[in-house]
Amino acid sequence: EAGVAQSPRYKIIEKRQSVAFWCNPISGHATLYWYQQILGQGPKLLIQFQNNGVVDDSQLPKDRFSAERLKGVDSTLKIQPAKLEDSAVYLCASSLDRYGEAFFGQGTRLTVV
Amino acid sequence: GENVEQHPSTLSVQEGDSAVIKCTYSDSASNYFPWYKQELGKRPQLIIDIRSNVGEKKDQRIAVTLNKTAKHFSLHITETQPEDSAVYFCAASPLNRDDKIIFGKGTRLHILP
Repeated sequence: EAGVAQSPRYKIIEKRQSVAFWCNPISGHATLYWYQQILGQGPKLLIQFQNNGVVDDSQLPKDRFSAERLKGVDSTLKIQPAKLEDSAVYLCASSLDRYGEAFFGQGTRLTVV
Repeated sequence: GENVEQHPSTLSVQEGDSAVIKCTYSDSASNYFPWYKQELGKRPQLIIDIRSNVGEKKDQRIAVTLNKTAKHFSLHITETQPEDSAVYFCAASPLNRDDKIIFGKGTRLHILP
């Protein structure tokens, strides 16, 4: 079974620039998560989708971060404008349903300089 | 919302000895407790999980215990091996409510030769 795909793997941008990350979950998985993992810390939930609807985005800095999951499949996470403290690995995860294991993608390592 | 505390942040054990990592959670509605292992530069991967209708679960050298009354759960690794060296994250989720999975800050486990 194909895993969660994310791209790009690495991205370096200057502060105040914008960036977008893409995630393709495992086929058939209804739940999709975006997590931010700062070096040395645990994943922090940014947003959770159930199909194409947002379940929880309480931790998403909405003044600069946005995410969408059109058609309930792929998802994009955007940061505009980026700040130095946004440097982290952005992990996408998906699960079949509300009772299932979350499978993680390889992540996108973002460096803001 | 849910808050997960994890201890210790770093743990060193002699190869062959046992390792124990402990977590507490705050939301009594949480009923799903997965443990993830993250090797350096790689994605978190599920190693074992437990649901609130059981108190203990074992899979070869790995076991997890859950005390719902005290709201804590623990990971036990016996006969540790060098490949057990990694960062371990506990997590908690009220799967039958809003489903989000909240992670602890992680424990870096070092297996000493």
